[in-house]
Amino acid sequence: DIEMTQSPSSLSASVGDSVTITCRASQTISNYLNWYQQTPGKAPKLLISGTSILQSGVPSRFSGSGSGTEFTLTITSLQVEDLASYYCQQGYITPLTFGGGTKVEIK
Amino acid sequence: EVQLLESGGGLVQPGGSLRLSCAASGFTFNSYAVSWVRQAPGKGLQWVSAISDTGRNTYYADSVRGRFTISRDNSMNTVFLQMKSLRAEDTAVYYCAKSPMTVVRGLSRNYHGMDVWGQGTTVTVSS
Repeated sequence: DIEMTQSPSSLSASVGDSVTITCRASQTISNYLNWYQQTPGKAPKLLISGTSILQSGVPSRFSGSGSGTEFTLTITSLQVEDLASYYCQQGYITPLTFGGGTKVEIK
Repeated sequence: EVQLLESGGGLVQPGGSLRLSCAASGFTFNSYAVSWVRQAPGKGLQWVSAISDTGRNTYYADSVRGRFTISRDNSMNTVFLQMKSLRAEDTAVYYCAKSPMTVVRGLSRNYHGMDVWGQGTTVTVSS
């Protein structure tokens, strides 16, 4: 199975800051990498698919990059509503696997 | 409106069984694969199982293979997850999610992510 490792597991930043979350795959997954946002008590929401494709309605301050085994999610100009946990997920091969998550807190 | 609605969760004793349902609306159901993803209390997301658009192909996490069975009825726009031999570690919120999958070089891949999610149904395994 492909293991997905996210870092950091949590971070605290101020409104307006830029934050970066890293996701590493245990083997190459090409660009089959998706990112989700989960706010407290809610179902996950797809933010980015195929490494860098922003989903409709997702603010442009979210962006994704990477390929192979290393990927990043960047939030520029962090907003209060970005308080959430973020998960990466590889879609390269079944079993599909998620990273352990990154909890973003607002200072 | 594109929507998924799970049902069937509840409290069950260890070793017991439960069947979850996921009813879809607002999209061409028989054109998309569907996954089940669970989240144990205070933990992260874990993919459990998926079924192809026709139902011909099914996929499972090692932790549930042999105990869980996924199926679908395209005439009812519904996916099912039959869970048997339940364990305490199966306690979680179970989400179904629309998961477009394509076959590339003989392998099913999920490039477009899981783009529609239900609200989840809670399964508690406890005596």
